[in-house]
Amino acid sequence: GAVVSQHPSWVICKSGTSVKIECRSLDFQATTMFWYRQFPKQSLMLMATSNEGSKATYEQGVEKDKFLINHASLTLSTLTVTSAHPEDSSFYICSARVLGQSYNEQFFGPGTRLTVL
Amino acid sequence: GDSVTQMEGPVTLSEEAFLTINCTYTATGYPSLFWYVQYPGEGLQLLLKATKADDKGSNKGFEATYRKETTSFHLEKGSVQVSDSAVYFCALSDPGANSKLTFGKGITLSVRP
Repeated sequence: GAVVSQHPSWVICKSGTSVKIECRSLDFQATTMFWYRQFPKQSLMLMATSNEGSKATYEQGVEKDKFLINHASLTLSTLTVTSAHPEDSSFYICSARVLGQSYNEQFFGPGTRLTVL
Repeated sequence: GDSVTQMEGPVTLSEEAFLTINCTYTATGYPSLFWYVQYPGEGLQLLLKATKADDKGSNKGFEATYRKETTSFHLEKGSVQVSDSAVYFCALSDPGANSKLTFGKGITLSVRP
């Protein structure tokens, strides 16, 4: 159980366009989802915390107008990279926290590889 | 702020060899500690956890002990298998930081037959 999916698994776009990435919890409800960014040979860096029905909380240094997060239901959160540039190319990973867990276990999606030309 | 430091990789071992992957941390509070594993083409999975000092987390033959005095959470396995080939991430969750996870860089383990 506790499966998280992401779509698409990879995407290539032109500079200046916007890209939407979906994160779904398939067999559980998640009040909280997290979005991470991972550069080659580096650790996952938390970008934002997404709570269902409210505004996302962004980490310091992350542009909220560039990385739009929507968490409209208990099973879906989306990340939209607006006006993408080559420096936004990266591996984006989402995770979901199970409702009612006594400790902070997060279930991770397989990631989305974004390449901006 | 919180941080996690993992030993540099990659690591290549022969099947049935002993494995140690070092992990140390700094945290302002009293964190929970985790090891996550990422198999090729899959998302991160929780391998084991420890929530207080001297706790030992274990799963699938892997073990790690929460050492507060040395701020460490080293991962060990007595006999690795080819199927253990994956990327391993050490992480902490500081209860004072809304339970957010802070990750180490990850280390790639390759086990050859």
